[in-house]
Amino acid sequence: KQEVTQIPAALSVPEGENLVLNCSFTDSAIYNLQWFRQDPGKGLTSLLLIQSSQREQTSGRLNASLDKSSGRSTLYIAASQPGDSATYLCAVVPGGNTGKLIFGQGTTLQVKP
Amino acid sequence: ETGVTQSPTHLIKTRGQQVTLRCSSQSGHNTVSWYQQALGQGPQFIFQYYREEENGRGNFPPRFSGLQFPNYSSELNVNALVLDDSALYLCASSLAAQGTDTQYFGPGTRLTVL
Repeated sequence: KQEVTQIPAALSVPEGENLVLNCSFTDSAIYNLQWFRQDPGKGLTSLLLIQSSQREQTSGRLNASLDKSSGRSTLYIAASQPGDSATYLCAVVPGGNTGKLIFGQGTTLQVKP
Repeated sequence: ETGVTQSPTHLIKTRGQQVTLRCSSQSGHNTVSWYQQALGQGPQFIFQYYREEENGRGNFPPRFSGLQFPNYSSELNVNALVLDDSALYLCASSLAAQGTDTQYFGPGTRLTVL
């Protein structure tokens, strides 16, 4: 059974710091891994999608890496800003015929001015 | 191009009642998935619809049911509501049923069961 874990559950950093969020999954048989952002009480915004054949994806100040063999992904945020404060969720699509996402519990990030 | 929309935004029901939540997928997307997110947790997969057929179901009882319409909009129906059904209900649409592409989420419907 695929399980996704995110550590830490919460993180507080001063503005300007570079930071790394971690995601691990138990079964390496995945189609892809996706990182999302969620603001309090809101829906999810897709940040990056990494296909199983890829090692990393970049968008602006965000860089996500994938090491399928070790069951790990990291989301790197450069030069953090207060507007980055949110909950970050990673999710994997396991092998099979549906695109169901299996989510971690998220890391809640606070960037202090 | 319009994004994924959901209605209503908030809903309050009492135990035993029935509820219908609605989702309009992003233009051109033929796959809709529904998720339940309890407070402080990651979303849990309920089921997926692809071209009006159920295409996978998570660990939810039969009182959770759904429909997808020819225009690819979708409904989630929950019967015999219990307190634990209180959650944020999210729908997501995508181009492919296999999940090989990005899934786009709506803003969610907050359901409170009293």
